[in-house]
Amino acid sequence: GDSVTQMEGPVTLSEEAFLTINCTYTATGYPSLFWYVQYPGEGLQLLLKATKADDKGSNKGFEATYRKETTSFHLEKGSVQVSDSAVYFCALSDNYGQNFVFGPGTRLSVLP
Amino acid sequence: DGGITQSPKYLFRKEGQNVTLSCEQNLNHDAMYWYRQDPGQGLRLIYYSQIVNDFQKGDIAEGYSVSREKKESFPLTVTSAQKNPTAFYLCASSTGTPNSPLHFGNGTRLTVT
Repeated sequence: GDSVTQMEGPVTLSEEAFLTINCTYTATGYPSLFWYVQYPGEGLQLLLKATKADDKGSNKGFEATYRKETTSFHLEKGSVQVSDSAVYFCALSDNYGQNFVFGPGTRLSVLP
Repeated sequence: DGGITQSPKYLFRKEGQNVTLSCEQNLNHDAMYWYRQDPGQGLRLIYYSQIVNDFQKGDIAEGYSVSREKKESFPLTVTSAQKNPTAFYLCASSTGTPNSPLHFGNGTRLTVT
């Protein structure tokens, strides 16, 4: 079945450092890809998405590109802030938008 | 503003009692989902529903039950048969169409002692 693998962390960075969180997937057909962010004690918020190969999703300085040839959707940000400290989940949905698969989440801590 | 409301945010129960978690959405979404999240863990699917009056078991349905009598509501009952019910429960919804994301509520933290 479909699956998502991402680096589990924790990842600890200093403020203004460059962030990469790797995500790779296994899926049949043409999945949509998502990154979600979860702050302590809250639900998941959609951060960005991409729905076809070579699409780039972006939001709040975060970016990820749908790479079909490497089945990857790595999350990047050029300069992280303390407020970016959270857990980040990579996810996919199937062709029909009904079956969602999540990675295990990556905890990011940004130190001032 | 449209969204998903889960209530209450914190819930405490004694072992052996059933408890029902509320989930309401005003996004006009067809599909609704329940996930369980344990500390430091990812999400595990409990139940989902693609349409009113229909629902399917997810990966960890044992000890849980749901109903979908209205489009906007998808309550989850944690029964006394659930061996380890203490967890953070997340409700989500989507349009159920291709390329559409899940929208999440803010969760209910259930503690059973």
